[in-house]
Amino acid sequence: DGGITQSPKYLFRKEGQNVTLSCEQNLNHDAMYWYRQDPGQGLRLIYYSQIVNDFQKGDIAEGYSVSREKKESFPLTVTSAQKNPTAFYLCASSIGPGDANEQFFGPGTRLTVL
Amino acid sequence: DAKTTQPPSMDCAEGRAANLPCNHSTISGNEYVYWYRQIHSQGPQYIIHGLKNNETNEMASLIITEDRKSSTLILPHATLRDTAVYYCIVRVGAGGTSYGKLTFGQGTILTVHP
Repeated sequence: DGGITQSPKYLFRKEGQNVTLSCEQNLNHDAMYWYRQDPGQGLRLIYYSQIVNDFQKGDIAEGYSVSREKKESFPLTVTSAQKNPTAFYLCASSIGPGDANEQFFGPGTRLTVL
Repeated sequence: DAKTTQPPSMDCAEGRAANLPCNHSTISGNEYVYWYRQIHSQGPQYIIHGLKNNETNEMASLIITEDRKSSTLILPHATLRDTAVYYCIVRVGAGGTSYGKLTFGQGTILTVHP
């Protein structure tokens, strides 16, 4: 089955530790995105990548880093510089970055920093 | 970015049509209207999108007013599984610095009751 996978579903880390969230897609999509969602809020864009080896900052990139070495993978690292890392993280992909291309979302990773 | 305004919550009886309104009075001519929904603790699910014509798919219908300043998502026969947060989104136009970004607001909590 084609789709987007994120693992793990729940992740716990101690304050001050970096943590990497995985996102894999087998849809052959060029564009991939990372969003953050806080309780009762909409999604906010962290980073996006229109094509392999390219990525741009979204609205709330501080304290996060990404890489796009392979088309199917777009891992997100939450660094110790991120002041409020506890949140629900969602990865998405689309055929391309254009307006008419819908984004498909993964199931999300809920990160809790203790 | 064009902003959207949605009612915070709505109720609907099972089997009846659910009509979810959205105002986007500052929408630009090349911006699409997208609808997503999110069931608790899951990734958002794409429903439908349109530019200026009405659209229909297996999930829903999208009615966009002639002046494009508002739209209505219609779920023709709501079921209990349609209970979710519904987001109306206007896509950033091509050429902008956030190419392809989806800007989620707080959405409408739709509750379908027996």
